[in-house]
Amino acid sequence: EVQLVESGGGLVQPGSSLKLSCVASGFTFSNYGMNWIRQAPKKGLEWIALIYYDSSNKYYADSVKGRFTISRDNSKNTLYLEMNSLRSEDTAMYYCAKLAGALDYWGQGVMVTVSS
Amino acid sequence: DVVMTQTPVSLSVSLGNQASISCRSSQSLLHSDGNTYLSWYLQKPGQSPQLLIYLASNRFSGVSNRFSGSGSGTDFTLKISRVEPEDLGVYYCFQHTHLPLTFGSGTKLEIK
Repeated sequence: EVQLVESGGGLVQPGSSLKLSCVASGFTFSNYGMNWIRQAPKKGLEWIALIYYDSSNKYYADSVKGRFTISRDNSKNTLYLEMNSLRSEDTAMYYCAKLAGALDYWGQGVMVTVSS
Repeated sequence: DVVMTQTPVSLSVSLGNQASISCRSSQSLLHSDGNTYLSWYLQKPGQSPQLLIYLASNRFSGVSNRFSGSGSGTDFTLKISRVEPEDLGVYYCFQHTHLPLTFGSGTKLEIK
């Protein structure tokens, strides 16, 4: 059974940093691209980052480029999202999702709240 | 960026009737590899989104055959036949032919 479990969220102050993790199981993690998607409260879905299976390519939405970094450790079946210079508009539920022809499996999400 | 325009914003459907959602992209979603990377998702209340349709018209494993996707180029449709109570939620289209990847703004399906 494919499982994606996010962690690392919480309440932080504007300007601070946070690192999210997504642990994968039930599939060969090193074979698939992975994404981070977020959803602000009562809003729609926003794709924010993609990393290729071998970390050879990384892409970001303009809203997070230069502040967020996606990475992965295939030996630990883990995807990361390092978030710096956090702003109130980064407040959202953050989901990791596997990419295989589509976003075929999603985690349960982790909440990040940026507030003073 | 490719803009994904979903209509309607909300939809109220009686149980057993059909629902149809449109998704139009500002550029063709036909990739140079011959695939059209358009997919549909349902986010039920309080849950993560779940994949329904991939490559515009292929049902994902375990998805009811009441769900069907069609379309090509820039014009796509999700049809839900014989709507059931568990179909309520917000439906999103998504493209990953072009970077940045983009979602439609969502269609909320309510049961009348």
